[in-house]
Amino acid sequence: NAGVTQTPKFQVLKTGQSMTLQCAQDMNHNSMYWYRQDPGMGLRLIYYSASEGTTDKGEVPNGYNVSRLNKREFSLRLESAAPSQTSVYFCASTDRAGGYTFGSGTRLTVV
Amino acid sequence: SQKIEQNSEALNIQEGKTATLTCNYTNYSPAYLQWYRQDPGRGPVFLLLIRENEKEKRKERLKVTFDTTLKQSLFHITASQPADSATYLCALDWENNDMRFGAGTRLTVKP
Repeated sequence: NAGVTQTPKFQVLKTGQSMTLQCAQDMNHNSMYWYRQDPGMGLRLIYYSASEGTTDKGEVPNGYNVSRLNKREFSLRLESAAPSQTSVYFCASTDRAGGYTFGSGTRLTVV
Repeated sequence: SQKIEQNSEALNIQEGKTATLTCNYTNYSPAYLQWYRQDPGRGPVFLLLIRENEKEKRKERLKVTFDTTLKQSLFHITASQPADSATYLCALDWENNDMRFGAGTRLTVKP
C-alpha cells in the first residue's frame, strides 16, 4: 500500500541513549518532514528535507539530527536522549501540490 | 511572533447538526491553508486545501472558508455523524517549505 512507513512504533530509552527513527515513503515525493506532537502543543516541525540531498532545521531542531538517505528515506537521530524528548514523532511527505501524507507515528518515552 | 489558534480544545454537538471549527492566525499571510483529521493513535489525514485567492472550497459534507482579511478559516461538517468524531487540525504554509499546525479541536458527535 502506498504511504509513509515509520519504524519503530514504540520505543523506551534511558536518558543518554541514542536511537534512530526510520521513515520511508513510496509515493515519489520530493519533500519529507519530521514532526513531534505533544499534548496541547500541536505538531511542531523538527527538520525537513525539501528534496534529496538537502535538509533544513524547523521550529525545534535542538537535540536531533537527520539524514536524507535517498529520495525514499529520511531518518531522525537522537544522539543523547533526554526526558524532554518524550513525545510522538511523525514523519510526513508531500509533492507540494497537495496535502501531507503522514506515517502512523513513533511513540517514544525517555526515562 | 506568528500564532495559529484553533477555537477550542473540544466541541460537542448532536448528530445531524453542523459542526463549525475555527482557525485564526496572526502576523502572517499564508498562501494556502489545510485541514487534517486525526484519530487517536494515528497520524493526521489530509482533508482539504484552500488557497489565499479562494473564498470557499467543498468536498462532500465538508466546507472550508478562508478570509485573509480576518485571518481566519472556518471548517464546517454538515449532517454530522458519530464517525466524524476526531481531532481536526488546521495547518498554514510557512516560509521555507514549512507547514505550521494548530493544536487541534477535538470534535465529539453524539448520537
